[in-house]
Amino acid sequence: AQSVTQLDSHVSVSEGTPVLLRCNYSSSYSPSLFWYVQHPNKGLQLLLKYTSAATLVKGINGFEAEFKKSETSFHLTKPSAHMSDAAEYFCVVSDSNFNKFYFGSGTKLNVKP
Amino acid sequence: DTEVTQTPKHLVMGMTNKKSLKCEQHMGHRAMYWYKQKAKKPPELMFVYSYEKLSINESVPSRFSPECPNSSLLNLHLHALQPEDSALYLCASSQGVLTSYEQYFGPGTRLTVT
Repeated sequence: AQSVTQLDSHVSVSEGTPVLLRCNYSSSYSPSLFWYVQHPNKGLQLLLKYTSAATLVKGINGFEAEFKKSETSFHLTKPSAHMSDAAEYFCVVSDSNFNKFYFGSGTKLNVKP
Repeated sequence: DTEVTQTPKHLVMGMTNKKSLKCEQHMGHRAMYWYKQKAKKPPELMFVYSYEKLSINESVPSRFSPECPNSSLLNLHLHALQPEDSALYLCASSQGVLTSYEQYFGPGTRLTVT
């Protein structure tokens, strides 16, 4: 069975400092992995996705994530946080056997001026 | 155009009302989804349509009734809802149901049941 664990429910960084949001997954198959961002009272926006191509995936707004199969991790990073990055972030793993997506519980990113 | 639109943005309804949520996409996507999201929680899948046919129903109560009139439209008909059904209802679409395809989400309908 698939599952996703986002290791931090809240992360707080200062503007201009690096961001690290952690995600671990369990999957019986070759997974596809996604990071989505949700600003307050908005829908979800795709930041990036991994689908068995390059293990380092670059996304929008300067975000990137590295797929590490040995660690079953897909952590999201950004070199320099911006105030507009404050939002909820969801790590998602797909189950190709059942055509389903499994969401992590979310990480709320706070960016301090 | 990578937009999924949802109407209305907000909806307040009583427990005896009947109302509908609407979702539309013009990206040529053949899979469409309804999710329910409670505050501070991740979205929970309710229904999946593939090529206008219902392919997944996550044991959703019958007071929620989905409909896919054509490949661009997805409706969610609501009847005799309970206060615990108050939530943000998100629609999404993707090229197909292959799970390597990313989903595009609409802004949601904020539903309050009184």
